[in-house]
Amino acid sequence: SSELTQDPAVSVALGQTVRITCQGDSLRSYYASWYQQKPGQAPVLVIYGKNNRPSGIPDRFSGSSSGNTASLTITGAQAEDEADYYCNSRDSSGNHLDWVFGGGTKLTVL
Amino acid sequence: EVQLVQSGAEVKKPGESLKISCKGSGYSFTSYWIGWVRQMPGKGLEWMGIIYPGDSDTRYSPSFQGQVTISADKSISTAYLQWSSLKASDTAMYYCARIRVPGWYFDLWGRGTLVTVSS
Repeated sequence: SSELTQDPAVSVALGQTVRITCQGDSLRSYYASWYQQKPGQAPVLVIYGKNNRPSGIPDRFSGSSSGNTASLTITGAQAEDEADYYCNSRDSSGNHLDWVFGGGTKLTVL
Repeated sequence: EVQLVQSGAEVKKPGESLKISCKGSGYSFTSYWIGWVRQMPGKGLEWMGIIYPGDSDTRYSPSFQGQVTISADKSISTAYLQWSSLKASDTAMYYCARIRVPGWYFDLWGRGTLVTVSS
């Protein structure tokens, strides 16, 4: 099956912009979705499709994609954005229904 | 309220069987796929498999095929994940999540069921 690669850790100063990336062959065929997970909590969907936010997700979260790389951008990071972020997409290898998650990026807001 | 409510934490011994549940409410349970996701302690998310409660069509990740069984009872809007013989390595948090199609993303998550397997 395919893999999605994320940087293990990223930091950003409060109020600044940060981009979290996700690389993998499946992203050439499928959009990534992005999930935020805070300690002790379930994941929460923050971005899906080309660049869509579920209701309740602040507009400082945005998504983009180019080639085999998907990105989650937080414009004006807030302290409450400190969390683990996971990308996910359909797996384009083989002919069965399969998904793959990235290894996750721990975001620290300084 | 649209939600997925998962069963409570479990402590089991190696070799024991277990079935955990995920009950949907506030939406048409039979119209959405449900997925199961594992998170081992301090680790990332792993997709295990999905089920369509409307007709019980089930697909497994190759990594979990034969290791677990996913099922659903649409009459009570509940999906299940079960093991016939637990191992210590099954110790993890297990999440169920609703899947939106098209797009195939997980838009609604349960709070998780912590399974601890220890002798």
